[in-house]
Amino acid sequence: EAGVVQSPRYKIIEKKQPVAFWCNPISGHNTLYWYLQNLGQGPELLIRYENEEAVDDSQLPKDRFSAERLKGVDSTLKIQPAELGDSAVYLCASSLGSSGANVLTFGAGSRLTVL
Amino acid sequence: DQQVKQNSPSLSVQEGRISILNCDYTNSMFDYFLWYKKYPAEGPTFLISISSIKDKNEDGRFTVFLNKSAKHLSLHIVPSQPGDSAVYFCAAIWGSNYKLTFGKGTLLTVNP
Repeated sequence: EAGVVQSPRYKIIEKKQPVAFWCNPISGHNTLYWYLQNLGQGPELLIRYENEEAVDDSQLPKDRFSAERLKGVDSTLKIQPAELGDSAVYLCASSLGSSGANVLTFGAGSRLTVL
Repeated sequence: DQQVKQNSPSLSVQEGRISILNCDYTNSMFDYFLWYKKYPAEGPTFLISISSIKDKNEDGRFTVFLNKSAKHLSLHIVPSQPGDSAVYFCAAIWGSNYKLTFGKGTLLTVNP
């Protein structure tokens, strides 16, 4: 079974440029998450989807970040315009449900460097 | 305000010995706790979990202990192997929130 697939794995852009990350979750996983991981920190939730509905986007900086999950499968996370402080690893994860017993499976992440 | 704390950034142990990774939390609403392991350039992978109604859960070489009164949990790895060298994240969640909160992680190095 394929895991959570993310692309690109690495992206280097100049500040003020746009960038987009793509995630394909595990088949059948209704819940999809985008996490941000800064260097030396644990992952922090940006947004959680239940199927195609964003049910928790309270931590998403909506002035420059946007996300979508069309048809409740793949998801895209966009940053426009990127700032220096956005340099981090963006992790996508999926699970069957949202409760504590539902384990998150993470992708390998997309490492963003903003110059 | 960090609700899940891993106060040891790193830990080094000899192969075959016990590794003990510690985690403290402040939110008494947390009802499920998980440990994830992360290798470089990979995403975190689930290792073991424990419900707040239990005080111990064991899976092979890995055991998680929960002390609710102290708001403390620990992960024991016995015996430690070089392949266990990774960053270990403690995480917690509570029912109606559904938000998994992670600690900063502890880098475990197991020396041959």
